[in-house]
Amino acid sequence: SAVISQKPSRDICQRGTSLTIQCQVDSQVTMMFWYRQQPGQSLTLIATANQGSEATYESGFVIDKFPISRPNLTFSTLTVSNMSPEDSSIYLCSVGRSSYEQYFGPGTRLTVT
Amino acid sequence: GENVEQHPSTLSVQEGDSAVIKCTYSDSASNYFPWYKQELGKGPQLIIDIRSNVGEKKDQRIAVTLNKTAKHFSLHITETQPEDSAVYFCAARSSGSARQLTFGSGTQLTVLP
Repeated sequence: SAVISQKPSRDICQRGTSLTIQCQVDSQVTMMFWYRQQPGQSLTLIATANQGSEATYESGFVIDKFPISRPNLTFSTLTVSNMSPEDSSIYLCSVGRSSYEQYFGPGTRLTVT
Repeated sequence: GENVEQHPSTLSVQEGDSAVIKCTYSDSASNYFPWYKQELGKGPQLIIDIRSNVGEKKDQRIAVTLNKTAKHFSLHITETQPEDSAVYFCAARSSGSARQLTFGSGTQLTVLP
């Protein structure tokens, strides 16, 4: 497996502001992903964070709203921009080292007021 | 794209009894099926997985079965304990999807002491 940390663990933000979430892994990984989990719901993939190139976004998610960086093989950031109450969710990063297994971080619990 | 359906949405069992959660998938090209356990306030934890070339896999009290013809897979937990109480998610990965997982809607399992 992998040891994954996320910062911050939770935050309360005002609408119209932006928050950057960090994901750090204890060793190099091939794949890094960002998911959103709305209250009481399942996990929805936002994007695949690509090292050295632009992230690949899923339908319904755009770079202007969720810019992602991945400067190296152990670190990525997700920014939630111009937040509204509808962005209140848990944001999770996950990593994949082998061809199959994915492991999740502890999540960032975001509340937008 | 892939679609994963999960049943039941809630499940209550007495301690010591067995629990079964079922998922169906739509993409016959899917070749990897993990199960995650999510405890309150935590990120999903990979508990067991199965690949399409295997029909069954066991790990102590948990097992997963896969029926490729019917496109469904199930999680079996025997001798349930109160600490098994959590939300369980199934997922599927299509062979052509660059390791992206599609998740089921989740099952809230409650083990009654």
